[in-house]
Amino acid sequence: KQEVTQIPAALSVPEGENLVLNCSFTDSAIYNLQWFRQDPGKGLTSLLLIQSSQREQTSGRLNASLDKSSGRSTLYIAASQPGDSATYLCAPAAGNKLTFGGGTRVLVKP
Amino acid sequence: DTGVSQDPRHKITKRGQNVTFRCDPISEHNRLYWYRQTLGQGPEFLTYFQNEAQLEKSRLLSDRFSAERPKGSFSTLEIQRTEQGDSAMYLCASSPIGQTQETQYFGPGTRLLVL
Repeated sequence: KQEVTQIPAALSVPEGENLVLNCSFTDSAIYNLQWFRQDPGKGLTSLLLIQSSQREQTSGRLNASLDKSSGRSTLYIAASQPGDSATYLCAPAAGNKLTFGGGTRVLVKP
Repeated sequence: DTGVSQDPRHKITKRGQNVTFRCDPISEHNRLYWYRQTLGQGPEFLTYFQNEAQLEKSRLLSDRFSAERPKGSFSTLEIQRTEQGDSAMYLCASSPIGQTQETQYFGPGTRLLVL
């Protein structure tokens, strides 16, 4: 059974700092891994999808890496802004379902 | 807006009542998923459809839960004889069929409170 851990559970940084969010998973037999953002009381917004054959994926200030063999992914957010405050969830995909971690709650202070 | 939509957005019910939620996926997305999220946790997979066929169900989906997608378009999730432990956000997602597993796009969710 896939287990996903996200560390840290919460993070508070001043505006402008870079964010590093970690995700580890126990079963490396995955098709891809998605990173999502969730604002309080809202649904999930997909940020990045990394295929299992890829090592890295970038979108604007976001960069996600994947080391499938060691069961790790990292999301980097450059030059954080107060609007980046949210919960970030990683979800490796195996078969047709996503398994989510508990998320990292991020607060970017102006 | 052509994103995933869910109705209702909020539902308050008394223990023992039945509730039904609806999900409309993105047009032409063949795959539809239901997840449940409790406060402070990540979503958990409940079930998955490809067109009208329900292909996988989680053990979380007790016999009080039933999901349908009769015409391969919208889906409904019904909970019978609700319990307080059913209180959660119910999320629907859809994805197209591709050569690889595709991005799942999520709706805004239905928040259920069972009193």
